[in-house]
Amino acid sequence: KNQVEQSPQSLIILEGKNCTLQCNYTVSPFSNLRWYKQDTGRGPVSLTIMTFSENTKSNGRYTATLDADTKQSSLHITASQLSDSASYICVVRGSGAGSYQLTFGKGTKLSVIP
Amino acid sequence: DAGVTQSPTHLIKTRGQQVTLRCSPKSGHDTVSWYQQALGQGPQFIFQYYEEEERQRGNFPDRFSGHQFPNYSSELNVNALLLGDSALYLCASSLTGLGGELFFGEGSRLTVL
Repeated sequence: KNQVEQSPQSLIILEGKNCTLQCNYTVSPFSNLRWYKQDTGRGPVSLTIMTFSENTKSNGRYTATLDADTKQSSLHITASQLSDSASYICVVRGSGAGSYQLTFGKGTKLSVIP
Repeated sequence: DAGVTQSPTHLIKTRGQQVTLRCSPKSGHDTVSWYQQALGQGPQFIFQYYEEEERQRGNFPDRFSGHQFPNYSSELNVNALLLGDSALYLCASSLTGLGGELFFGEGSRLTVL
């Protein structure tokens, strides 16, 4: 069964600090992995999308890494801001049969405090 | 360029009633997917529509049905509402193809009493 596990479930950090969120998946064969940011009660917004051949991709203060061999990804947030408070969701798309479906993680709820 | 728009944003129903949620995809997108997101959970795939046909379906009962119109907009219908159907319903649009990035709407918050 395709699964995406995220850790930690929740995280509280001080404004200005860095943090790293983890995503482990069992989706196979793999097509791509995406990180989304979801503010409370709003729709998810894409941060990055990574394919099999990509190891690192940055989007401003967000840097995602992918290790397709170990089926792990991380999202690193640098110099956090209060506006970074949100849920961060890891989403994996498989290839082949059923590839139209995406497997979502439950998300990591990040709270940035002053 | 309007993004994905959903309506209504909030609604309250009682058990046994029926509800219709609507979605207009991002301009140029031809594929619409629907997701259910319970509080504190990740989105769960309901189904996807392309060329007015249901292309794939998640593990949801037949009470959940949908439709896609020639202009690519879509509706999600839920019959015989249960308390457990209370959730944020997200619509996402994309261009057909495996790598098509999903653009999400702001969701419709359904509360079933």
